[in-house]
Amino acid sequence: GQNIDQPTEMTATEGAIVQINCTYQTSGFNGLFWYQQHAGEAPTFLSYNVLDGLEEKGRFSSFLSRSKGYSYLLLKELQMKDSASYLCAVRDRGNAGKSTFGDGTTLTVKP
Amino acid sequence: EAGVVQSPRYKIIEKKQPVAFWCNPISGHNTLYWYLQNLGQGPELLIRYENEEAVDDSQLPKDRFSAERLKGVDSTLKIQPAELGDSAVYLCASSIGTGVTDTQYFGPGTRLTVL
Repeated sequence: GQNIDQPTEMTATEGAIVQINCTYQTSGFNGLFWYQQHAGEAPTFLSYNVLDGLEEKGRFSSFLSRSKGYSYLLLKELQMKDSASYLCAVRDRGNAGKSTFGDGTTLTVKP
Repeated sequence: EAGVVQSPRYKIIEKKQPVAFWCNPISGHNTLYWYLQNLGQGPELLIRYENEEAVDDSQLPKDRFSAERLKGVDSTLKIQPAELGDSAVYLCASSIGTGVTDTQYFGPGTRLTVL
């Protein structure tokens, strides 16, 4: 099975940079995904990492270290609209279609 | 391209009543997922379909929950009878397949309140 840990809440200032960490213990790893979820809305896909290293996509970057069971999502030039919950999800190797989600990190961006 | 469609968006019922949720996945997506999401928690998988076959229903409480995906397209999730603890958001998602990079796309969810 999978065990995923994320901080519950974070606060940052508009225009700043914030890093949201995710650690996991898994019996089989086949990729890590990050989703954004605004209150009352569905999760939307942000990024995925399969191999170690940094993946950059505009203001969002995601990093993975498989040996450490660690990932982070980096948000640059924060905007008010970035206030949301950020979910880390790990895909299982043995059951390829199964992803286990963390409980999410609620990010509040303040002016 | 239309996204994942779910209905109803909101449902309020009394305990012991039946309820059903409907999902229409993105066209061409073979894999369909039903998740349950409680407030402040991440989505938890209930059942996954590959076309019309349920390939992972280990987390589905089969005494009261049932699901079907006729013709490998639309899907319904049913609860009978509903209990107070079933109050949650029920999310449907779809993906092209289960490849390493196949992304899941979520519908808006159905918020169920059991009184």
